[in-house]
Amino acid sequence: GQQLNQSPQSMFIQEGEDVSMNCTSSSIFNTWLWYKQEPGEGPVLLIALYKAGELTSNGRLTAQFGITRKDSFLNISASIPSDVGIYFCAGQLSFGNEKLTFGTGTRLTIIP
Amino acid sequence: GAVVSQHPSRVICKSGTSVKIECRSLDFQATTMFWYRQFPKKSLMLMATSNEGSKATYEQGVEKDKFLINHASLTLSTLTVTSAHPEDSSFYICSASEGVAGVNEQFFGPGTRLTVL
Repeated sequence: GQQLNQSPQSMFIQEGEDVSMNCTSSSIFNTWLWYKQEPGEGPVLLIALYKAGELTSNGRLTAQFGITRKDSFLNISASIPSDVGIYFCAGQLSFGNEKLTFGTGTRLTIIP
Repeated sequence: GAVVSQHPSRVICKSGTSVKIECRSLDFQATTMFWYRQFPKKSLMLMATSNEGSKATYEQGVEKDKFLINHASLTLSTLTVTSAHPEDSSFYICSASEGVAGVNEQFFGPGTRLTVL
């Protein structure tokens, strides 16, 4: 099935640094979502974006819905150890169609 | 609120046996439930979408006779992996949605790790 391309695939950063990751698609999505998954658990929703150009924050997290509707980015400021995990973007093709297409994931590791 | 549980959390079975995985929405009624499969260090891949009281819609390449899905009530969906083989070993995750107009959020369960020997 289709997947969204995320970059980078993995990141190794020091505590306190800012993080930036993005997600691109060949198809237009009307909703973009960012999830975090920890080992052995299901993904947890971080931020949902519903409108092209929208910029939304949730604490230290900021995400934007690209104008073209084919991309999105997620920034994490001042990273802390509990930010470790795998971050997935996900898109919904059309409003009301709940099917999610997930990105390939970005694995975040924080170096002590 | 919006808690989804899965049972069992992990299961080990012999090749050729069938395994049933349950997905429950604990504090809301889920009109739609989704089943995903995730291989190690890979992304989540949607297997099927099920609506309460109707047949599941399977994604291309997913064998409906092998992965039986039942969504008999608004709080329970089951996935049965029939005649499991080692290549079916994976992390199976369900999600549930209330399907309220304008609200499409899916709430994910904690996953079930299946190991087929």
